Amino acid sequence: DGGITQSPKYLFRKEGQNVTLSCEQNLNHDAMYWYRQDPGQGLRLIYYSQIVNDFQKGDIAEGYSVSREKKESFPLTVTSAQKNPTAFYLCASSMTGTLAKNIQYFGAGTRLSVL
Amino acid sequence: AQKVTQAQTEISVVEKEDVTLDCVYETRDTTYYLFWYKQPPSGELVFLIRRNSFDEQNEISGRYSWNFQKSTSSFNFTITASQVVDSAVYFCALREGGGGNKLTFGTGTQLKVEL
Repeated sequence: DGGITQSPKYLFRKEGQNVTLSCEQNLNHDAMYWYRQDPGQGLRLIYYSQIVNDFQKGDIAEGYSVSREKKESFPLTVTSAQKNPTAFYLCASSMTGTLAKNIQYFGAGTRLSVL
Repeated sequence: AQKVTQAQTEISVVEKEDVTLDCVYETRDTTYYLFWYKQPPSGELVFLIRRNSFDEQNEISGRYSWNFQKSTSSFNFTITASQVVDSAVYFCALREGGGGNKLTFGTGTQLKVEL
């Protein structure tokens, strides 16, 4: 089945620890995105990548890092510099090119909590 | 700067009632896209509809309909004869015509449909 797979579903972080959230897609999409969702709030963009080996900061990139070594994969690292990491993290992907194709499709999310 | 406002935080209806979810947006672009996504309790965002700024034609898909009015910068979503399975958080989002395919989300409306 084609889709976006996020793992793990739940993740716990200790103080001072870096953790990495996985996002894999088999939709052959060029672009991938990471969003953060806090209770009662909309999604906020952390990072996005339009092509392999290139990515841009979103609105709330501080304390996060990403890599895009493969088209299918866009892992997000929550570093110890992120002081309030507890949130629901959603990964998305889309085609690029004409605007008409740029619908973002989402994974099932990872819920990160601090121990 | 672009902005999406969903003033209704939570709506409760009884099954078979009709319900309208409001979305008001702000943008300086003349070319933009509007989206609605559904987030069921499982967490994954499900794409429902995309509408571009040049197409004000209303759309109906089964029990769902959308009313796009540029004059009032609104893109409202109506569910006819609501069902318990419609219970979810619904997000409205805006994409401006420039590069990057960045979405700006509203804060969402929690819809609860009860028997």
